[in-house]
Amino acid sequence: ETGVTQTPRHLVMGMTNKKSLKCEQHLGHNAMYWYKQSAKKPLELMFVYSLEERVENNSVPSRFSPECPNSSHLFLHLHTLQPEDSALYLCASSQGLGLQGSQFFGPGTRLTVL
Amino acid sequence: KNEVEQSPQNLTAQEGEFITINCSYSVGISALHWLQQHPGGGIVSLFMLSSGKKKHGRLIATINIQEKHSSLHITASHPRDSAVYICAVRSSLGSGDKLTFGTGTRLAVRP
Repeated sequence: ETGVTQTPRHLVMGMTNKKSLKCEQHLGHNAMYWYKQSAKKPLELMFVYSLEERVENNSVPSRFSPECPNSSHLFLHLHTLQPEDSALYLCASSQGLGLQGSQFFGPGTRLTVL
Repeated sequence: KNEVEQSPQNLTAQEGEFITINCSYSVGISALHWLQQHPGGGIVSLFMLSSGKKKHGRLIATINIQEKHSSLHITASHPRDSAVYICAVRSSLGSGDKLTFGTGTRLAVRP
């Protein structure tokens, strides 16, 4: 247990559905991240939140919409996704950004878009 | 070509063998991370190092900054070591730090 939980662990959705991924950290960290991991590709950073403000958005399509209501929770709202969005979505948290912020990862949500 | 290259991509070992996983990078870095990802998807940070060598249990990580190369060694390997091992480098940009990940090395240790 890393102190970062994600729900659901598995999600299958159609292209017209709307769903949300949830991440919660119990570590008192002030930065949270969403990553996408596709098969045989490196981890891709999607969004970074620091002190509940989005500080990085790595050219992610608008069909992915993050929300950080407080420092312990991070959501990723999904709508009209494409089959190529099927991947493992990982949440992470850290205390601070940069070198002092070792990231703790959640178990991930395995998303399949039909 | 990725900024972070790992080798081998896949590795199968017999229990008890000494294992080495390599990571080469092409950018200037402030630190390098070794991560372990289990079949369920969860990722655990094993090491963060910026010079020399670190040891934790049966795991040893080394880095050579001049050669832009790091190795992760596992001594007396065990089936529970089976996982994907990911190298990630932290480099500084004008606006802050950036983490770049390798594609990972999939390790299977057979009993």
